[in-house]
Amino acid sequence: AQSVTQLDSHVSVSEGTPVLLRCNYSSSYSPSLFWYVQHPNKGLQLLLKYTSAATLVKGINGFEAEFKKSETSFHLTKPSAHMSDAAEYFCVVSYSGYSTLTFGKGTMLLVSP
Amino acid sequence: DGGITQSPKYLFRKEGQNVTLSCEQNLNHDAMYWYRQDPGQGLRLIYYSQIVNDFQKGDIAEGYSVSREKKESFPLTVTSAQKNPTAFYLCASSIGKIGGGDTGELFFGEGSRLTVL
Repeated sequence: AQSVTQLDSHVSVSEGTPVLLRCNYSSSYSPSLFWYVQHPNKGLQLLLKYTSAATLVKGINGFEAEFKKSETSFHLTKPSAHMSDAAEYFCVVSYSGYSTLTFGKGTMLLVSP
Repeated sequence: DGGITQSPKYLFRKEGQNVTLSCEQNLNHDAMYWYRQDPGQGLRLIYYSQIVNDFQKGDIAEGYSVSREKKESFPLTVTSAQKNPTAFYLCASSIGKIGGGDTGELFFGEGSRLTVL
């Protein structure tokens, strides 16, 4: 069965320091991987996606993620956190032949001044 | 502006009542989805529809019902059979069929928060 694991339920950083949100997926050929962000009481917004092109994917708001097949990981990073980055982040996987997506349980990013 | 509109944003229900959550999209997307979100649980799929007049159960369909009479609309009814309906409900759409060569990107509405009193 397809699965995705977000290794941290909460991550706390100071403004201006790097952000790392970790995600591992169950091994399969041809996964598509996504990171979504959700601000309180809002819907989810796509940050970036990997669909078998370049392994380093750049998204909106300065975020990027690297697909590492050998480690089955797709970690999300940002060089310098901003207060507005405080939100919940979801890693999502899609496999060819499966008609639905699988969501991780989310990582809450807290940014302190 | 193209997008997904969910209503109402907040809804209160007494036990034993059915309620219907509205979801409308003007993106001309074929596929639509309903998710339930509980704290610490991520998103769980309730129902999805890839074409008008057809829909499939997701992982937690018990106590819910849907219809897809028009491409733009995918209402969700939370029935009295749903044992724990208090949650945040999210509707989403995608251009095509996920897993069928499409990118799988979902577009979400702003959500409806249902509270059972």
